Amino acid sequence: KQEVTQIPAALSVPEGENLVLNCSFTDSAIYNLQWFRQDPGKGLTSLLLIQSSQREQTSGRLNASLDKSSGRSTLYIAASQPGDSATYLCAVSDSSYKLIFGSGTRLLVRP
Amino acid sequence: DAGVIQSPRHEVTEMGQEVTLRCKPISGHDYLFWYRQTMMRGLELLIYFNNNVPIDDSGMPEDRFSAKMPNASFSTLKIQPSEPRDSAVYFCASTTSHNEQFFGPGTRLTVL
Repeated sequence: KQEVTQIPAALSVPEGENLVLNCSFTDSAIYNLQWFRQDPGKGLTSLLLIQSSQREQTSGRLNASLDKSSGRSTLYIAASQPGDSATYLCAVSDSSYKLIFGSGTRLLVRP
Repeated sequence: DAGVIQSPRHEVTEMGQEVTLRCKPISGHDYLFWYRQTMMRGLELLIYFNNNVPIDDSGMPEDRFSAKMPNASFSTLKIQPSEPRDSAVYFCASTTSHNEQFFGPGTRLTVL
């Protein structure tokens, strides 16, 4: 059974710092991995999708990497801003299209 | 495109009442998913459809829950009778094949 773990559960950094969020999964037979952002009381916003054949994806200040063999993904946020404060969720899908979510990393960027 | 649309955004009901949540997926998307989010269990898949046909309902907690997709642009999740432990945020998401899943804003359900 696929399990997704995100570390750390919470992170507080000063504005401007570069940071890395970690995601690990137990079964490497994934089709893709998706990173989401969730603001308090809101829905999920898709940030990046990495197909299993890809190593990384970039969007603006965000870069996500995928190492299928080791069951790991990282989300790198450059030059963090207070507006980046949110919960970041990692999810993997297998051939069944179902997304299995991690419990998230709650990020606070202090001005 | 307006994105995935869910209604109502908030629902407060009393135990034993029937609750119906609604979802309109993004036009052209042929997969629709219903998820539930709670503090204790995080985000869990309840059921998903492909071309309006239910594919996997193994996440539906019990017979009190049912979901339908009568056409490509509409789906419902029904709870009858509702219980306090059903209180959660229910999300609908849609996608095409192995692509990004786009989520709706969610319905926050409170069962008193």
